[in-house]
Amino acid sequence: DMKVTQMPRYLIKRMGENVLLECGQDMSHETMYWYRQDPGLGLQLIYISYDVDSNSEGDIPKGYRVSRKKREHFSLILDSAKTNQTSVYFCASSLYRQDTQYFGPGTRLLVL
Amino acid sequence: SQWGEENLQALSIQEGEDVTMNCSYKTYTTVVQWYRQKSGKGPALIILIRSNEREKRSGRLRATLDTSSQSSSLSITGTLATDTAVYFCATDEGGSNAKLTFGKGTKLSVKS
Repeated sequence: DMKVTQMPRYLIKRMGENVLLECGQDMSHETMYWYRQDPGLGLQLIYISYDVDSNSEGDIPKGYRVSRKKREHFSLILDSAKTNQTSVYFCASSLYRQDTQYFGPGTRLLVL
Repeated sequence: SQWGEENLQALSIQEGEDVTMNCSYKTYTTVVQWYRQKSGKGPALIILIRSNEREKRSGRLRATLDTSSQSSSLSITGTLATDTAVYFCATDEGGSNAKLTFGKGTKLSVKS
């Protein structure tokens, strides 16, 4: 069963706190992604990972970092979260970088 | 039509009508992927058309690709209320290092 999971689904944090968003996939896909989606702005690519410990900045990496120590797992870290990082975060994976992307259900993050 | 610099487009139609959404891209693409995102969910691929294809059909969906004008369209015939969603096109720039780039999306509301 091809699936991308995200944890947690909902998260409320105070400004300055650290945030960890987790993503997993069961398809042995090489490439994984983190996006954020704000109303009316579509999907903005934060980071892309081509395999374990092979990560590359996307279009809006400032304020975020990632970790990929296992092929099936990709984490997004916000060190000292800011209110403007309130958003819906999506993780996705694909067999290779131009292939179909499979998205998780999203994490709704509210930073107060 | 949607492209990276445009805001989210919105369409509102009655159930049973046909609808066409457009997508433009700036450079060469090997494939155009169309995704649908229902409220509260992650995007999911609904149809894919390659650069050597002019038209692709899947049920009530029809995608076209015109490489000379760098544009693609997605048509839905006999719309249902359940077609209400945001529709994204995604293109790549070709080459081994390319990644998918998503358009801003078209928000389709189908009223019953």
